[in-house]
Amino acid sequence: SQELEQSPQSLIVQEGKNLTINCTSSKTLYGLYWYKQKYGEGLIFLMMLQKGGEEKSHEKITAKLDEKKQQSSLHITASQPSHAGIYLCGVHMEYGNKLVFGAGTILRVKS
Amino acid sequence: NAGVTQTPKFRVLKTGQSMTLLCAQDMNHEYMYWYRQDPGMGLRLIHYSVGEGTTAKGEVPDGYNVSRLKKQNFLLGLESAAPSQTSVYFCASGRNTEAFFGQGTRLTVV
Repeated sequence: SQELEQSPQSLIVQEGKNLTINCTSSKTLYGLYWYKQKYGEGLIFLMMLQKGGEEKSHEKITAKLDEKKQQSSLHITASQPSHAGIYLCGVHMEYGNKLVFGAGTILRVKS
Repeated sequence: NAGVTQTPKFRVLKTGQSMTLLCAQDMNHEYMYWYRQDPGMGLRLIHYSVGEGTTAKGEVPDGYNVSRLKKQNFLLGLESAAPSQTSVYFCASGRNTEAFFGQGTRLTVV
C-alpha cells in the first residue's frame, strides 16, 4: 500500500545478532498485524496490536505500536536461521475496513 | 480445523480464458480478502468483503470480480485472463483482531 512504508526492504544479519524492522504510516492505524512468510509459502500470523504503546512477544520476536498509533517496530533477539523469511505488516486504516500491507522486509540470517 | 482453504493450488490458463478461485473458511469470520503477491510488491488487496452478500474494491480490482453468497466462501473470478494476472493469489479471513491466510494459488497466464 502507498499509505504504508516498511523498512528496511531487505536485511542480512549474522546468526545471534539482534535486528529491527519498522512499519510506518502517515495516518492513525486501527490495528496492525505482523506476519512472517517463508519463500513460496503462506503467511504465518505473528501478532496483532491495537492500542497505543502496546507491546507483544512471540518467542524471540517482540513488536510494539507507538503511542500515536502510526508506527510499529518488530524486534528479533538473537536471530536464528529459522527467522529467515519475509516479514509483512498489515493495517486497518479505518475501523472494520480493508486490511492493506506494506511491501515486506526480506530477512536473511547467515550461519 | 481446516482454517482457510484455497482451491486450486496451481493453475495455468491461456490468455482470454476464465476461471474462479475459491476461498473457504470455517472460523465464522465476517471479513474476507483476496490479495495478489508479486515480487517486490508485497501483498496488494484486490477485493474484500465485510460480511455475507457484501463486497468492496481494494487497491487493484480491475480485471477481477468477486462474490460472497455464503459467509464461509469468497470467490474470485477472472473473466478474461491476461498475462499481467500471472501471480500468487492469497485469500484471508478475519475479524478486527485476527486475520488468517490460505496457502495461496499460483496462477500462470500464458
